[in-house]
Amino acid sequence: GDSVTQMEGPVTLSEEAFLTINCTYTATGYPSLFWYVQYPGEGLQLLLKATKADDKGSNKGFEATYRKETTSFHLEKGSVQVSDSAVYFCALRGASGGSYIPTFGRGTSLIVHP
Amino acid sequence: DAGITQSPRHKVTETGTPVTLRCHQTENHRYMYWYRQDPGHGLRLIHYSYGVKDTDKGEVSDGYSVSRSKTEDFLLTLESATSSQTSVYFCAIRGGTGGSYEQYFGPGTRLTVT
Repeated sequence: GDSVTQMEGPVTLSEEAFLTINCTYTATGYPSLFWYVQYPGEGLQLLLKATKADDKGSNKGFEATYRKETTSFHLEKGSVQVSDSAVYFCALRGASGGSYIPTFGRGTSLIVHP
Repeated sequence: DAGITQSPRHKVTETGTPVTLRCHQTENHRYMYWYRQDPGHGLRLIHYSYGVKDTDKGEVSDGYSVSRSKTEDFLLTLESATSSQTSVYFCAIRGGTGGSYEQYFGPGTRLTVT
């Protein structure tokens, strides 16, 4: 079945540092890929998405590129801020038309210090 | 904003009592989901619905039931609450365009079973 593996946290960075959170997946065909962010006390919010190979999703300075050859969708940001402290989830939706259930990674906590 | 509300937002109940959580959406989405979130487990799907009166089990459905009598409301019931059901519960809908079908989440309900 489908699966998503993302790096365990917490990831601790200083403000303005470069961020990478690794995500790899197992799925047949060409799934849609997502990053969600969860701020303390809130629900998950869609951060960015990509629906086909080599697509780059971007939002709020975050980027991720859909790499079919390495089955990866790593999240990056060039300069993190304290306000980026949150939990980040990588997820996929299977390629088949009847796929109603997304698959989520375990989440990676990011802590950014001033 | 996908117009998703959850009620109550916080609840403390005693072991053995029944509890019903409500998810309400305002945008007529067909698919709705209930998840629980626990430290070390990420998000786990409890039940989902693909239309009025159409529901199915997720990976952790034991001890939970759901009902969907109208499009906008999806109810999650714990027939006899146990301490292991202490968790944060999230409702989600399936939205998105162009076949990506990302999910949008409610703000969550924090349930404590004493």
